[in-house]
Amino acid sequence: GQQLNQSPQSMFIQEGEDVSMNCTSSSIFNTWLWYKQDPGEGPVLLIALYKAGELTSNGRLTAQFGITRKDSFLNISASIPSDVGIYFCAGRANYGGSQGNLIFGKGTKLSVKP
Amino acid sequence: ETGVTQTPRHLVMGMTNKKSLKCEQHLGHNAMYWYKQSAKKPLELMFVYSLEERVENNSVPSRFSPECPNSSHLFLHLHTLQPEDSALYLCASSRELNYEQYFGPGTRLTVT
Repeated sequence: GQQLNQSPQSMFIQEGEDVSMNCTSSSIFNTWLWYKQDPGEGPVLLIALYKAGELTSNGRLTAQFGITRKDSFLNISASIPSDVGIYFCAGRANYGGSQGNLIFGKGTKLSVKP
Repeated sequence: ETGVTQTPRHLVMGMTNKKSLKCEQHLGHNAMYWYKQSAKKPLELMFVYSLEERVENNSVPSRFSPECPNSSHLFLHLHTLQPEDSALYLCASSRELNYEQYFGPGTRLTVT
């Protein structure tokens, strides 16, 4: 079945640093979504991407739909403490049938550098 | 964010109990989903409903039984669960089937 590889699995951030994470797929996707999950809560949709090459921002967050349609990237600029949490990528290969189901990555956990 | 609500937020149940999880969406969406989230594993899709009809059942054991009485409500009935069923159960909704999904806060289930 389709799988998403999300990296890094975890990272430590210091306030003010920029953060990058990415997701790669073994097959072509036509939609990429990025979610953030805080402890004890459900994932919250951050950014949705629909076209190869698309670059979309949401405040300090910027995400890109890779040209190959097999990857996506999320960047956080000038990180702040409330950015900690788990970031998930999700992709969809098709709009119809089971191909239209979202496939989720395992998440990138952001923590504050001790 | 109160678009999708779930109750209870926490549930502890024995293996012989019967309980139900409830999800309600206030977004006017037509599709609803149940996911299971376990530690160190990707979100697992369990059930999908579109306009109150089940369109997906991802080989979920029969001890999990979904119910969608209308497009705003979704239930997950639980009976004779196993300890490995302990997880965070997330409900989501979307405007139409397979559009962007919006999640509830989840129910943390512990089976003893």
